[in-house]
Amino acid sequence: GEDVEQSLFLSVREGDSSVINCTYTDSSSTYLYWYKQEPGAGLQLLTYIFSNMDMKQDQRLTVLLNKKDKHLSLRIADTQTGDSAIYFCAVKVTGGGNKLTFGTGTQLKVEL
Amino acid sequence: DAGITQSPRHKVTETGTPVTLRCHQTENHRYMYWYRQDPGHGLRLIHYSYGVKDTDKGEVSDGYSVSRSKTEDFLLTLESATSSQTSVYFCAISGGEETQYFGPGTRLLVL
Repeated sequence: GEDVEQSLFLSVREGDSSVINCTYTDSSSTYLYWYKQEPGAGLQLLTYIFSNMDMKQDQRLTVLLNKKDKHLSLRIADTQTGDSAIYFCAVKVTGGGNKLTFGTGTQLKVEL
Repeated sequence: DAGITQSPRHKVTETGTPVTLRCHQTENHRYMYWYRQDPGHGLRLIHYSYGVKDTDKGEVSDGYSVSRSKTEDFLLTLESATSSQTSVYFCAISGGEETQYFGPGTRLLVL
């Protein structure tokens, strides 16, 4: 089955850019997603990219997709303390059920 | 926010007792999912439903059963709770090609 991997922690200073990385194994994945989870809350969809795109920008967020290396990244520009959260990469599984496979999540800590 | 509620939000129970968690949606979405979230594992799919009375297993379905008798409700049952089922449980919904939207979660502690 699909395997999705992320690094566990990232620490940045306020105002810097953050880059969260994700690798996956299924080259036929069609949609790839980034979710944000704040403490004690559910997952909030941040953005997604379709597999025929290389990049997608949405305000401070930039998603880059390298299909050859099966690598997805999320860049957050001008990172703020409110961006501190866990970020999950998710990949749509081929086959029925509209199922997603999630990475283990990256804990982003923003320091003053 | 997608109209998803989960109940209860917190529960403490004892080993061996049955537990039922409820997910309710107001979006009339076809697909519903139950996940568990544990440190170091991210979210893992327990069961999902692709319509009323249509359900299928996910990757960690042992010890869990589900039922969906109407579009808006998806129930997750632990027939005999064990300490390894202590976790945070999330329900999600999807209309099809679009992404999944998540509920607020249920924290379950099995003593």
